[in-house]
Amino acid sequence: NAGVTQTPKFRILKIGQSMTLQCTQDMNHNYMYWYRQDPGMGLKLIYYSVGAGITDKGEVPNGYNVSRSTTEDFPLRLELAAPSQTSVYFCASSYGYLEKLFFGSGTQLSVL
Amino acid sequence: DAKTTQPNSMESNEEEPVHLPCNHSTISGTDYIHWYRQLPSQGPEYVIHGLTSNVNNRMASLAIAEDRKSSTLILHRATLRDAAVYYCILISGAGGTSYGKLTFGQGTILTVHP
Repeated sequence: NAGVTQTPKFRILKIGQSMTLQCTQDMNHNYMYWYRQDPGMGLKLIYYSVGAGITDKGEVPNGYNVSRSTTEDFPLRLELAAPSQTSVYFCASSYGYLEKLFFGSGTQLSVL
Repeated sequence: DAKTTQPNSMESNEEEPVHLPCNHSTISGTDYIHWYRQLPSQGPEYVIHGLTSNVNNRMASLAIAEDRKSSTLILHRATLRDAAVYYCILISGAGGTSYGKLTFGQGTILTVHP
């Protein structure tokens, strides 16, 4: 099993550009999450999903959008990138709400 | 949502036990205590979790105070590979408004000396 796969690993964007961070899992997990981690800080929840077709906002959703059309995929869309979105982004999944999370290896994004 | 408080950093020597504390004085009866760790340049990794009783697995032990207002993650013999940021988080088993939302604090940076 590949687990949770994130692409790309690194990306540099110009202010105002848009991009989609891809996340896919092959464990048939219902729950999926997007976090961002700023240097020296803990993780902050951006969006989460409890199943295909169901998504909800986390702590810091502004500037981001998500969709969950399949169980496997949970892409994160950045519209009109801003320097404040420079961060490392982690996708995670879990089988159930109280089950352990499996994290991807992260996407390092710089907005210049 | 109940919050956790952890020391910013701790140090240990290799092969010695490490006790990482976490305070959660506002924990509710349905909150589970989870621990994750994050090695440099990697995503977080699950370590252990519990509700009321102490828990053991191949990675660590979790000691939960009788009043559940604090807990301690125990690494029995620290290795250099255990150097990481350790996060203590609470997950409500009651669902409600916290359903699906997991909040990671700043964690404890563990340094292991050879």
